[in-house]
Amino acid sequence: NAGVMQNPRHLVRRRGQEARLRCSPMKGHSHVYWYRQLPEEGLKFMVYLQKENIIDESGMPKERFSAEFPKEGPSILRIQQVVRGDSAAYFCASQDSGLMDEQFFGPGTRLTVL
Amino acid sequence: EDKVVQSPLSLVVHEGDTVTLNCSYEVTNFRSLLWYKQEKKAPTFLFMLTSSGIEKKSGRLSSILDKKELFSILNITATQTGDSAVYLCAVGEYGNKLVFGAGTILRVKS
Repeated sequence: NAGVMQNPRHLVRRRGQEARLRCSPMKGHSHVYWYRQLPEEGLKFMVYLQKENIIDESGMPKERFSAEFPKEGPSILRIQQVVRGDSAAYFCASQDSGLMDEQFFGPGTRLTVL
Repeated sequence: EDKVVQSPLSLVVHEGDTVTLNCSYEVTNFRSLLWYKQEKKAPTFLFMLTSSGIEKKSGRLSSILDKKELFSILNITATQTGDSAVYLCAVGEYGNKLVFGAGTILRVKS
């Protein structure tokens, strides 16, 4: 049973470009979370999605950031018009059901904005 | 605002030592407390605690939760160099998101 997969592992973008981060949850998991980790800081919640629904996006900046988890395919975190402050590690976690808190993390995507 | 505070921020010990990592929290809708180990990649799950006073053990690692005093500790006995990592404490809230502390950086010297 493959774990949570994220790609790309490293992404370099210039200011103003778009960044697209992908997450495939563990097999059978229908709950996906995105977290951001800035240097020297803990992980900060961004958004919680179930298939085709955004459940909680309270941690996501209102502008430039969006997330989706379509019926088929991976969850995608999209950052438009990236700025240097977006440079961080972005982790995806998946969960079997909303009843249990244990979340399994992917290896992360390290985004660098030049 | 919900808060999870870990201490110490960093720790250096020698192989064979025992360490205790602390995690205190102020969270509105507490449901569980989780410990993760992070070694430059994905945080890996260690423990989930929901009840006060019940110790969870896995090999040389153990953890306990005090819901009255709002804290948890993670103990590692007979430390090894492979225990070097960042240890993350997170609180699970109703509504499912995890609120993380900043982590404790543990370095075990041989």
